[in-house]
Amino acid sequence: DTGVSQNPRHKITKRGQNVTFRCDPISEHNRLYWYRQTLGQGPEFLTYFQNEAQLEKSRLLSDRFSAERPKGSFSTLEIQRTEQGDSAMYLCASSLLGDTEAFFGQGTRLTVV
Amino acid sequence: AQSVTQPDIHITVSEGASLELRCNYSYGATPYLFWYVQSPGQGLQLLLKYFSGDTLVQGIKGFEAEFKRSQSSFNLRKPSVHWSDAAEYFCAVRAGNNRKLIWGLGTSLAVNP
Repeated sequence: DTGVSQNPRHKITKRGQNVTFRCDPISEHNRLYWYRQTLGQGPEFLTYFQNEAQLEKSRLLSDRFSAERPKGSFSTLEIQRTEQGDSAMYLCASSLLGDTEAFFGQGTRLTVV
Repeated sequence: AQSVTQPDIHITVSEGASLELRCNYSYGATPYLFWYVQSPGQGLQLLLKYFSGDTLVQGIKGFEAEFKRSQSSFNLRKPSVHWSDAAEYFCAVRAGNNRKLIWGLGTSLAVNP
């Protein structure tokens, strides 16, 4: 499968715990995006990487959230001290620099109990 | 600020009937517009996109959309709906140098047999 891969697909965690999600973009895609989607809403932009550089972060990304793309390939999104409001689908997308289409993974559904 | 409005939260059509999903955008420059479909448990799939040129664009699965600059609209159409078209449909505009997507809230489509 050469699409965008996200792991895990589902995560249930207790409030206050830390969680980490992984995104493997399509090989050689320079751009990588993280979005968050809550029930009944469209996706909301969280952050963007061009290769290993994090070039933009949304104000939605509080200091409990951190994202990395250490080698310009896969990316991780960590949420510390999770809150119930963090429950959402976390989507990853990738694209080539200069390309017009972003390809999405199937997402990681986080439930904070 | 860029924004996307999808006025219809939920639409129900009969199988074989025609479909039009509305999308209005707010963007200062020439917009790059997209329609995505999201089925339960699936990632976001690109249906079609508009960048320039012919204002009527054809997409996958028999969908088309028409860009109307004067109305700031990019409505999605299909002449005959199939039961498998039942899904959530999102309109999005690409914004900024980082090419992030600004999304509408989505329209949920139900198809009656």
